[in-house]
Amino acid sequence: GAVVSQHPSRVICKSGTSVKIECRSLDFQATTMFWYRQFPKQSLMLMATSNEGSKATYEQGVEKDKFLINHASLTLSTLTVTSAHPEDSSFYICSASEWAGVGQETQYFGPGTRLLVL
Amino acid sequence: AQSVTQPDIHITVSEGASLELRCNYSYGATPYLFWYVQSPGQGLQLLLKYFSGDTLVQGIKGFEAEFKRSQSSFNLRKPSVHWSDAAEYFCAVAVATGRRALTFGSGTRLQVQP
Repeated sequence: GAVVSQHPSRVICKSGTSVKIECRSLDFQATTMFWYRQFPKQSLMLMATSNEGSKATYEQGVEKDKFLINHASLTLSTLTVTSAHPEDSSFYICSASEWAGVGQETQYFGPGTRLLVL
Repeated sequence: AQSVTQPDIHITVSEGASLELRCNYSYGATPYLFWYVQSPGQGLQLLLKYFSGDTLVQGIKGFEAEFKRSQSSFNLRKPSVHWSDAAEYFCAVAVATGRRALTFGSGTRLQVQP
């Protein structure tokens, strides 16, 4: 159980185009999903918290108009990188939060999406 | 704000040897603690977690971790390392209220020598 998928796993796009990344919780419902970004040989940095049915909460320094997040259902959140530029090239990882009561929340991670902007 | 420190950037052990990866956290109350493992180009897999109760927690793949409040530590251990354990290991902390996202340590890269 507790499987999270991401699609696509790898994408190459031209500068100026938009890219959509999907994150799905396959066997549980997730009212909250998180989007992280990971640079080579570095740790994960939180970009935003995605809540089903409401606006995402972005971390300081993350452009919300650049990284559009939609959490349309309890099993799907999408991250759209708009007008992508080479500096947006990175490894994007989502996680879905499985809630089992107060103090019993576990995040399960997707396999990640490698974005390369040419 | 909470923080996580993994003092060892890179560790090399021989196959069959024991392993201990260090993790220290900074948080005013009892945190929720996690260890994740990441293979190259992959997402993160949960190894184990601590919420409350027994301070020695067992995880998958033969890993265990011990929560020591007095030392603000949550070190990961394995008695006998296998070559397939070579990966990046991340310790993470979450808080009970407010910000629920995980705060990660910088990671420890484990190499296993034959």
